[in-house]
Amino acid sequence: DVKVTQSSRYLVKRTGEKVFLECVQDMDHENMFWYRQDPGLGLRLIYFSYDVKMKEKGDIPEGYSVSREKKERFSLILESASTNQTSMYLCASSLPERELFFGEGSRLTVL
Amino acid sequence: AQSVTQPDIHITVSEGASLELRCNYSYGATPYLFWYVQSPGQGLQLLLKYFSGDTLVQGIKGFEAEFKRSQSSFNLRKPSVHWSDAAEYFCAVGAGGSYIPTFGRGTSLIVHP
Repeated sequence: DVKVTQSSRYLVKRTGEKVFLECVQDMDHENMFWYRQDPGLGLRLIYFSYDVKMKEKGDIPEGYSVSREKKERFSLILESASTNQTSMYLCASSLPERELFFGEGSRLTVL
Repeated sequence: AQSVTQPDIHITVSEGASLELRCNYSYGATPYLFWYVQSPGQGLQLLLKYFSGDTLVQGIKGFEAEFKRSQSSFNLRKPSVHWSDAAEYFCAVGAGGSYIPTFGRGTSLIVHP
């Protein structure tokens, strides 16, 4: 079975802190994704990566950056967390043009 | 670009009743279609997928979906709902040549005992 593991299920950070969300997949998938999920807004794509060191902006990249130094790992970085970044963050991976496999999510609260 | 509409934000059914969740998509060619389920506080789990072939697709947990090209729809069905089916359901569409599927906003299923 494909496993997508997100390093933290729950985080509480303060405004202005730097936040790292880590995601690891074990199925050698080329594609990895970071989504943000908020009530009533569904899933919104933050960043996408189709290969090591390659990334593309999604719908809401402002305030976020990503890193993909190894194929299995895709990190989401909040350089200076703000309260409006309080949300559920979902990582996913896939083969090209195939279904996504999701991690369990990281719920971030910024105070 | 493709788009997905889930017209129902909430659906309430009684346990044991049948269920149909609607999904309409917009895309010029034959899309890839998916249904995912999300339990509270969890990630999304794939229920079923359609790439080609038989337009009636069977998934996990007793769910099925039917691709209707003429209606641009991919509705999810279950003949008898269980209380454990209460969750958020997402329809998604992928297009050939695009790495990124588009998700609907989700339908919240409430199951009354």
